Amino acid sequence: EVQLVQSGAEVKKPGESLRISCKGSGYTFTNNWIAWVRQMPGKGLEWMGIVYPGDSDTRYSPSFQGQVTMSADKSINTAYLHWSSLKASDTAMYYCARGGNGYNTYYYFDLWGRGTLVTVSS
Amino acid sequence: DIQMTQSPSTLSASVGDRVTITCRASQNINNWLAWYQQKPGKAPNLLIYKASSLQSGVPSRFSGSGFGTEFTLTISSLQPDDFATYYCQQYNLYSGYAFGQGTNLEIK
Repeated sequence: EVQLVQSGAEVKKPGESLRISCKGSGYTFTNNWIAWVRQMPGKGLEWMGIVYPGDSDTRYSPSFQGQVTMSADKSINTAYLHWSSLKASDTAMYYCARGGNGYNTYYYFDLWGRGTLVTVSS
Repeated sequence: DIQMTQSPSTLSASVGDRVTITCRASQNINNWLAWYQQKPGKAPNLLIYKASSLQSGVPSRFSGSGFGTEFTLTISSLQPDDFATYYCQQYNLYSGYAFGQGTNLEIK
């Protein structure tokens, strides 16, 4: 089955670090970009950035540049989203989604993970 | 940055109604536009890509149109399962993947 499986919910304190994951299966993971999308409670979808597992090329939305780090480990078909110092405002659901094949400029998100809920509270 | 603006933000309709949601881009995006449906507590689901192409498995009552800066999503005859939030998205590896703010389709 083609799927993206995300890591479980996290509860953290402000200032702590965190890495969440997204594991792909059922397709050639290194061939497609993986995007991260934030959804704050009761709000809409925000594109954060995208990483290409084949060569770890990464593009960030200007709104999230410097706030998070995206990476991928192609040996275990897994993409990551990392925070070095969490804030309460990072509380949200985070989705990973599959993007285009290779350097196909125009491609949508055709496969989504179920999301990882991150709660940051003192 | 390209901005995407949807209207209306909320739409009240009844089963069997024909509804249309509009999405406007702040600059020309040709037809690089997708529509997603999201139900409460669930991940978004792709409905339409390239402005008017129906994703496999999506019912034919969903259709999309438009080019350039103005786009529409139409549901020809609303079914109970269609009450959800809908998002448009422009997609371009070099200019980003901005979403509209969403349209909440609710039962009248």
